[in-house]
Amino acid sequence: NAGVMQNPRHLVRRRGQEARLRCSPMKGHSHVYWYRQLPEEGLKFMVYLQKENIIDESGMPKERFSAEFPKEGPSILRIQQVVRGDSAAYFCASSPDRGNSPLHFGNGTRLTVT
Amino acid sequence: DAKTTQPTSMDCAEGRAANLPCNHSTISGNEYVYWYRQIHSQGPQYIIHGLKNNETNEMASLIITEDRKSSTLILPHATLRDTAVYYCIVRVARNTPLVFGKGTRLSVIA
Repeated sequence: NAGVMQNPRHLVRRRGQEARLRCSPMKGHSHVYWYRQLPEEGLKFMVYLQKENIIDESGMPKERFSAEFPKEGPSILRIQQVVRGDSAAYFCASSPDRGNSPLHFGNGTRLTVT
Repeated sequence: DAKTTQPTSMDCAEGRAANLPCNHSTISGNEYVYWYRQIHSQGPQYIIHGLKNNETNEMASLIITEDRKSSTLILPHATLRDTAVYYCIVRVARNTPLVFGKGTRLSVIA
């Protein structure tokens, strides 16, 4: 059973460009969570989605950031008009829809804005 | 979610048991305790979780005190590859985000 897959592993963008980060959850998982880790800092929750619905986006910056988890295909975290401060590791996690099952994380996408 | 308190850092000799403490004195009756670790810059790795009974799996044991105000993660025979930041998290309800604190930086020393 494949784990949570994130791609690309590394992404370089110039200021003002758009960044698209993809996350394929584990098989059978319908809940996806996105986290951001700035250099030398802790993991910060951004957004929680269930198929086609945003459940909690309390950690998402109000501008330039958006997330989706369509009925078919991976979850996408989109950052428009990137700035140097967006440089970070972005991690995706997934969980199944049962009980208190733990979240399982991917190995992240490292975004560098030049 | 209840707040957790962990030591900033700990050392452990290779081959010995690593005992990582966590205080969660404001935990409520339906909150689970989860442990994760992050090795260097990899994604967080799930270790174990529990509600009130002690738990054991192939990676570790989780000991929760009877009043549930604290817990200990035990790695029975630490290896150099166990060097990581360990996070203790309490989570109130199913399918809610995990809130990560600063964790404990465990260094396993040869």
